[in-house]
Amino acid sequence: ELQLVESGGGLVQPGGSLRLSCAASGFTFNTYWMHWVRQAPGKGLEWVANIKEDGSVIYYVDSVKGRFSISRDNAKNSLYLQMNSLRVEDTAVYYCAKGGLAPGDSWGQGTLVTVSS
Amino acid sequence: QSVLTQPPSASGTPGQRVTISCSGSSSNIGGNPVNWYQHLPGTAPKLLIYRNNERPSGVPDRFSGSKSGTSASLAISGLQSEDEADYYCAAWDDSLSGYIFGPGTKVTVL
Repeated sequence: ELQLVESGGGLVQPGGSLRLSCAASGFTFNTYWMHWVRQAPGKGLEWVANIKEDGSVIYYVDSVKGRFSISRDNAKNSLYLQMNSLRVEDTAVYYCAKGGLAPGDSWGQGTLVTVSS
Repeated sequence: QSVLTQPPSASGTPGQRVTISCSGSSSNIGGNPVNWYQHLPGTAPKLLIYRNNERPSGVPDRFSGSKSGTSASLAISGLQSEDEADYYCAAWDDSLSGYIFGPGTKVTVL
């Protein structure tokens, strides 16, 4: 059974850092693009970043460029999101999502990141 | 302000047909496939339609998608109470080099 399990969320002060992880199982991880998508409280879905199967191509939404870094470890079937210089507006549930049929053909349950002083 | 435009809400009675529109531009919908997602609060989003009109395995054929030019639409026929959710269109945007979601449409079953 395909599973995506996010971890690493929590409360952090503005300007702080956090590293999210996504453990993947039940599919051949190294053959799919992977994505991070977030949903701020009361807002819609927002795509954050994606990474190609071998990590050679990466894209980010403008609002996180220079602050966030997506990476993957195919040997560990894991996806990561390093978040630096966090802002209040980065507060959201962060979802790990698998590519394939389309970005997000499977999703994790999400991990909550709260940026507040 | 979203690059893609969707109505904020739509509603219908059980059994009715509801249609949700999604409008974009040549850099997104006009040149790339449109995907639709269903999201119930507190749960993981679900891919409903991919490549404009394809349904993943397990998605009922009550859900259908279409695209014409720079617009797309999602239709839900035979509306059911469990269809109450937020629905998002999405597409890759060549100008932004990013994947964009519409603002979402909340569907209410009356």
